[in-house]
Amino acid sequence: GAVVSQHPSWVICKSGTSVKIECRSLDFQATTMFWYRQFPKQSLMLMATSNEGSKATYEQGVEKDKFLINHASLTLSTLTVTSAHPEDSSFYICSATPQPYQPQHFGDGTRLSIL
Amino acid sequence: EDKVVQSPLSLVVHEGDTVTLNCSYEVTNFRSLLWYKQEKKAPTFLFMLTSSGIEKKSGRLSSILDKKELFSILNITATQTGDSAIYLCAVEANTDKLIFGTGTRLQVFP
Repeated sequence: GAVVSQHPSWVICKSGTSVKIECRSLDFQATTMFWYRQFPKQSLMLMATSNEGSKATYEQGVEKDKFLINHASLTLSTLTVTSAHPEDSSFYICSATPQPYQPQHFGDGTRLSIL
Repeated sequence: EDKVVQSPLSLVVHEGDTVTLNCSYEVTNFRSLLWYKQEKKAPTFLFMLTSSGIEKKSGRLSSILDKKELFSILNITATQTGDSAIYLCAVEANTDKLIFGTGTRLQVFP
């Protein structure tokens, strides 16, 4: 149980393009999902907390207008990187937990490469 | 500022060796400490520790938490090449957020 699916797994696109990444909880409902970013040889850094039916909470230094988060249902959160530039190239990972006080489970991640 | 520090950053061993990975933390409103294994994709869950002194064990892997000294260790006995990965330690605060350490890169050679 507790499977989190992420799509797409790999995206290559031109600078200036907007890219949408989906995160789905397949066998549980998640009122909260988390979005992380991981640069090469670095650890995961939390970008934002996605809340179903309300606005996301962004970490300090993360631009909310650039990284749009929508959590319209209990099984789906989306992250849209708007007007992506090469410096946005990274590994983006989402996570969710089926219940409070349970471990977070991660999607397989999306490798984003902006040319 | 909350922080999680892992050591060593990198470890190279031969199959059959035993390794100990360390994780120390300074986090306000600590709730739990988690260990994850990351290979090529996203992290996979290993252990969740909430109480001091209680060892959690899964096969050749085991982990324990010391909430007084604010650290945890992850032990892997009789290492195999398939254990090669980055091992991430994360601390969860009451905010539900996970604060990750930089990870320990383990390489096991035949």
